[in-house]
Amino acid sequence: EVQLVDSGGGLVQPGGSLRLSCAASGFAFSAYSMHWIRQVPGKGLEWISFINGDSSDKRYADSVKGRFTISRDNARNSLYLQMSRLGGDDTALYYCAKDGGSYSFDCLGQGTLVTVAS
Amino acid sequence: SALTQPAAVSGSPGQSITISCTGTSSDIGGYDFVSWYQQHPGKVPKLIIYAVTNRPSGVPSRFSGSRSVNTASLTISGLQAEDEADYFCSSYSAGSTPWVFGGGTQLTVL
Repeated sequence: EVQLVDSGGGLVQPGGSLRLSCAASGFAFSAYSMHWIRQVPGKGLEWISFINGDSSDKRYADSVKGRFTISRDNARNSLYLQMSRLGGDDTALYYCAKDGGSYSFDCLGQGTLVTVAS
Repeated sequence: SALTQPAAVSGSPGQSITISCTGTSSDIGGYDFVSWYQQHPGKVPKLIIYAVTNRPSGVPSRFSGSRSVNTASLTISGLQAEDEADYFCSSYSAGSTPWVFGGGTQLTVL
């Protein structure tokens, strides 16, 4: 069974940094591209970052480009999101997601909540 | 949001409903990469349609997807109480953001 477990969220001050993690199991992690998606509670979904299986291709939404860095450790079956210069607009539930092909997401983690506030 | 969905739709059990998702020729109209997600309150979004018309294993056949020009549609036939949820469309986009979402549609089963 495919399982994604998100962690690392919390309360951070504006301008601060945070690192999110996603532990993957139940599939050949290194063979799949992965994403981070976020959702303000009660609102819509926003794609924010992509990484392919060997980390040679990384992409970012304009809203986080230059502030967030996606990475992965295939030996540890883990995905990461390093977030810096956080602002109030970054407050959201962050999901890691497995690429499902055809530009879809076929499994999302349970999410980890990031709150940016002083 | 890059894609436009109605905020809310409703229907009675047994009826059919359709949720629209409107984009442009740079996303929905230009590529066969439309997907739909179902999200129950407090739960994680779940993929129910990919590549415009395809259903992942385990998704009931009463969920179907289609597209006409720049508008994708999700149809739920034989509506059931458990279908009450939020539904989000997504598409590949040739713009600066490769993956774009609609704002979501809240489905109420009356």
